[in-house]
Amino acid sequence: GENVEQHPSTLSVQEGDSAVIKCTYSDSASNYFPWYKQELGKGPQLIIDIRSNVGEKKDQRIAVTLNKTAKHFSLHITETQPEDSAVYFCAAYSWGKFQFGAGTQVVVTP
Amino acid sequence: DAGVIQSPRHEVTEMGQEVTLRCKPISGHDYLFWYRQTMMRGLELLIYFNNNVPIDDSGMPEDRFSAKMPNASFSTLKIQPSEPRDSAVYFCASSPEGLNTEAFFGQGTRLTVV
Repeated sequence: GENVEQHPSTLSVQEGDSAVIKCTYSDSASNYFPWYKQELGKGPQLIIDIRSNVGEKKDQRIAVTLNKTAKHFSLHITETQPEDSAVYFCAAYSWGKFQFGAGTQVVVTP
Repeated sequence: DAGVIQSPRHEVTEMGQEVTLRCKPISGHDYLFWYRQTMMRGLELLIYFNNNVPIDDSGMPEDRFSAKMPNASFSTLKIQPSEPRDSAVYFCASSPEGLNTEAFFGQGTRLTVV
């Protein structure tokens, strides 16, 4: 089955700096890669997603890049703000199976 | 729409007792998912339904776990008998189109089995 690895597990950044989280997947047939943000006491919420026919996608301060050859994808947050502090999960979908990464705790310090 | 609604928000029960978690998906969403979240195992997909029919229950950990969806607006996840290792946050989510599209999560039920 699909195996998704996510790094780093924790990330501390200064407000205004950029944050990058990386995920690798094992199944080359995977074709959908969402990123979810989870705030304390809440359920995960989709922030951006990308499909395998696209290499990059951007939404304001958030971008995701996908390298199908290397089987990895990354989340980029620019100009980080305190409200970006949360746990971020990557995930991959392949042939009816869906797997989350272990999560990255992001702390943005003022 | 109020989003995915789960109840209860918190449940504390004694080992051996039956636990029932409830979920109301977003109206019009044909897919419903049950997830479990723990520190050790992260977010795990337990089971999902399409149009009230269970499609994949391979993530259900043991026969003690069962899930039903009697109609489009209600689903339950039952644990009988409960054990301390079942302690976790259980999320229900729904989506209009399936696993490879955005899922909308509820607030979760924090289950503690003592």
